[in-house]
Amino acid sequence: GENVEQHPSTLSVQEGDSAVIKCTYSDSASNYFPWYKQELGKRPQLIIDIRSNVGEKKDQRIAVTLNKTAKHFSLHITETQPEDSAVYFCAAIPSRSSGDKLTFGTGTRLAVRP
Amino acid sequence: KAGVTQTPRYLIKTRGQQVTLSCSPISGHRSVSWYQQTPGQGLQFLFEYFSETQRNKGNFPGRFSGRQFSNSRSEMNVSTLELGDSALYLCASSLSGTDTYEQYFGPGTRLTVT
Repeated sequence: GENVEQHPSTLSVQEGDSAVIKCTYSDSASNYFPWYKQELGKRPQLIIDIRSNVGEKKDQRIAVTLNKTAKHFSLHITETQPEDSAVYFCAAIPSRSSGDKLTFGTGTRLAVRP
Repeated sequence: KAGVTQTPRYLIKTRGQQVTLSCSPISGHRSVSWYQQTPGQGLQFLFEYFSETQRNKGNFPGRFSGRQFSNSRSEMNVSTLELGDSALYLCASSLSGTDTYEQYFGPGTRLTVT
């Protein structure tokens, strides 16, 4: 089955700096890669996603890149703000034949220092 | 549209008891997936239901079961509770159309087993 590894497990940045979180996946058939943000005591919130036929996607200060050959994808947050502090999870869905099973990475706790 | 809702939000049970959790998906969503979140194991996939059928199943013992009703609402049941079942149980719904993969999470049910 699919295996997703995520690094780093914790990340501390100064407000205004950039943050990068990296994930690798094992199943070359995976075709959908979402990122979730989970604030303390809250539900995971979908913040951005990318399909296997796209190399990069941006949404304001957030961007995700995908390298299918290397089987890794990354989340980039620019101009970080204190409200970006949360745990971020990457995930992958194999081909649709596997239904909608999300395999998650282990999470990255991001702290943005004011 | 209303978001994904889960009831109850909190539960305290004793070892050996059973519990039923409920999830109401976003209107029009046909797929409901269940996940267990613990500090040690992260987010683990339990099972997915689509059109009242279990489409996918994770690596959990048979004590964990679920079902989906014709209105797409889903329930999960855990029998013979163990201390290790203490966790946040999250459900997520998705359209699960031909090219739609986005999953949206409910607030979760916090289960404590004593």
